[in-house]
Amino acid sequence: QQQVKQSPQSLIVQKGGISIINCAYENTAFDYFPWYQQFPGKGPALLIAIRPDVSEKKEGRFTISFNKSAKQFSLHIMDSQPGDSATYFCAASSRYGGSQGNLIFGKGTKLSVKP
Amino acid sequence: DVKVTQSSRYLVKRTGEKVFLECVQDMDHENMFWYRQDPGLGLRLIYFSYDVKMKEKGDIPEGYSVSREKKERFSLILESASTNQTSMYLCASSRDFSNQPQHFGDGTRLSIL
Repeated sequence: QQQVKQSPQSLIVQKGGISIINCAYENTAFDYFPWYQQFPGKGPALLIAIRPDVSEKKEGRFTISFNKSAKQFSLHIMDSQPGDSATYFCAASSRYGGSQGNLIFGKGTKLSVKP
Repeated sequence: DVKVTQSSRYLVKRTGEKVFLECVQDMDHENMFWYRQDPGLGLRLIYFSYDVKMKEKGDIPEGYSVSREKKERFSLILESASTNQTSMYLCASSRDFSNQPQHFGDGTRLSIL
């Protein structure tokens, strides 16, 4: 119940295309859903996050879509650029229950954007 | 900007050695975390700490211990290193447990020979 399932494992997109990464969870207590971006040789960095009171959040070319009833959320990267090539992790946590505030990470998606 | 600094980028040790990985954060964060990252397995939590001298086991604590003597510093200890502990180790910190973002260091790539 603590898992976050992320797909696909890897993704190749042409420059200018849309990249879509999906995540699913089981624990209905989760109420914070961040996405992290990791470049080679660097630690993950927070990209964008959403809470379940909204169904969509957009920051520039990055959008999170959230479907509470389906317990799914996804990251869309519009007009994908070679500089977006990185590994992306979804995560989830709950503010309740002490250590439930720990982030549960998906296994990551390696995105390659071809010029 | 939050800075999480890991003392070594690359480390090579021998089987059976006691290994120390150090992490320092400069934002007075309450929580600190140690993860290991392996291809296809994502980020797995080893230990975390929510206060000085406090520690909690994560998902894969076996073979590891931690120390948090000061708020800004969190050390990961491999008591007797084994080859299956070859991995990328990531340290992170966060303000508290109220769904605050975690800030990561750039990792230590540890090889056990």
